[in-house]
Amino acid sequence: DAMVIQNPRYQVTQFGKPVTLSCSQTLNHNVMYWYQQKSSQAPKLLFHYYDKDFNNEADTPDNFQSRRPNTSFCFLDIRSPGLGDTAMYLCATSLAQSNTEAFFGQGTRLTVV
Amino acid sequence: DQQVKQNSPSLSVQEGRISILNCDYTNSMFDYFLWYKKYPAEGPTFLISISSIKDKNEDGRFTVFLNKSAKHLSLHIVPSQPGDSAVYFCAASPNTGFQKLVFGTGTRLLVSP
Repeated sequence: DAMVIQNPRYQVTQFGKPVTLSCSQTLNHNVMYWYQQKSSQAPKLLFHYYDKDFNNEADTPDNFQSRRPNTSFCFLDIRSPGLGDTAMYLCATSLAQSNTEAFFGQGTRLTVV
Repeated sequence: DQQVKQNSPSLSVQEGRISILNCDYTNSMFDYFLWYKKYPAEGPTFLISISSIKDKNEDGRFTVFLNKSAKHLSLHIVPSQPGDSAVYFCAASPNTGFQKLVFGTGTRLLVSP
């Protein structure tokens, strides 16, 4: 089945230690997104890639970076995680067209200790 | 400033009855609206959507209604089943060709036998 896969499902990292979350897709969608969802809050868009074009949301902290080496893979890098970065990180994909849904992975639950 | 609001954190319904989940939005630029369903430890799964040019969209037991003048949408599930128990997120997207979704905080639906 075509899908969006995130690895790892759970990640614990130390305060200040860089961490990378991974997302892959078999849908061949040209847009990939990263969302952050903190406990009891709405998922919040961090950035998206349209093909290789990176688009940052205005309020996304500089601590968060992303890489998309090819159509299938996208990475979220957190350079110096703080305790406030503990959250569920959701990867999603879609076609670059209006009125279409985004497909989400299962998420990576990141805990910063 | 929350642009998409789901004011009911939880809803309990008996099996076979109707479930009505509500969502309000403030941004007039939103023109595509989606409902996602989320089980614990899984990513959001697309359920149903509606474009701003429509006021109703139906898919099996699920119907979404849009009232643009009131900036309000609702999801009706008839009849409700225990397997529908999950968190339901309302999301909205502006017409940019990308699914830069703005989510509500979710409503936890519990359908009891």
